[in-house]
Amino acid sequence: GQSLEQPSEVTAVEGAIVQINCTYQTSGFYGLSWYQQHDGGAPTFLSYNALDGLEETGRFSSFLSRSDSYGYLLLQELQMKDSASYFCAVTSGTYKYIFGTGTRLKVLA
Amino acid sequence: GAVVSQHPSWVICKSGTSVKIECRSLDFQATTMFWYRQFPKQSLMLMATSNEGSKATYEQGVEKDKFLINHASLTLSTLTVTSAHPEDSSFYICSARDTLLAGRNTDTQYFGPGTRLTVL
Repeated sequence: GQSLEQPSEVTAVEGAIVQINCTYQTSGFYGLSWYQQHDGGAPTFLSYNALDGLEETGRFSSFLSRSDSYGYLLLQELQMKDSASYFCAVTSGTYKYIFGTGTRLKVLA
Repeated sequence: GAVVSQHPSWVICKSGTSVKIECRSLDFQATTMFWYRQFPKQSLMLMATSNEGSKATYEQGVEKDKFLINHASLTLSTLTVTSAHPEDSSFYICSARDTLLAGRNTDTQYFGPGTRLTVL
């Protein structure tokens, strides 16, 4: 079957750096996306990796290793507003999204 | 750009009634739209892929006669929950794929704000 695994919860303090990992097993792969979702809201796009390596967008960076079926989202200079759920999603062979299990990030003052 | 709207944002209905949810791409054309369902503290589960001018493709375990999908134009897809029951209460989210970006490295899905359905 197809699956994307993430840690269920991560806790860090303001100003810290956090890495959220995602390992996947899918039939077909076009790219790995990351989304942020606050409680009661819709997912908002953070980043996308189609090729191996690191993509940097402000405080957020995302990494992909296709040979390892692995990626991560790196959040730097954590702020309270970063407390949310984070989902990785693979664009599969049919251009559908398969979402990961989600990681709930708690940022402490 | 790349805005997707959903209507209504929330709806409460009685058991046995039908509810229609609209998903619109406001500034781009979307040949393909997707419908997801999300239960509290869970991930997004793809329900179906909606293709303009053709029948929707449903994921395994999703009843196509219960969740009717129509994609009549390049900017509008609708999901109708027929004979809704309390277990259908959930957060329904649509997304749209920009037709012009399809197949490129920038191909991505744009998500609507979601519709919270509560069935009494």
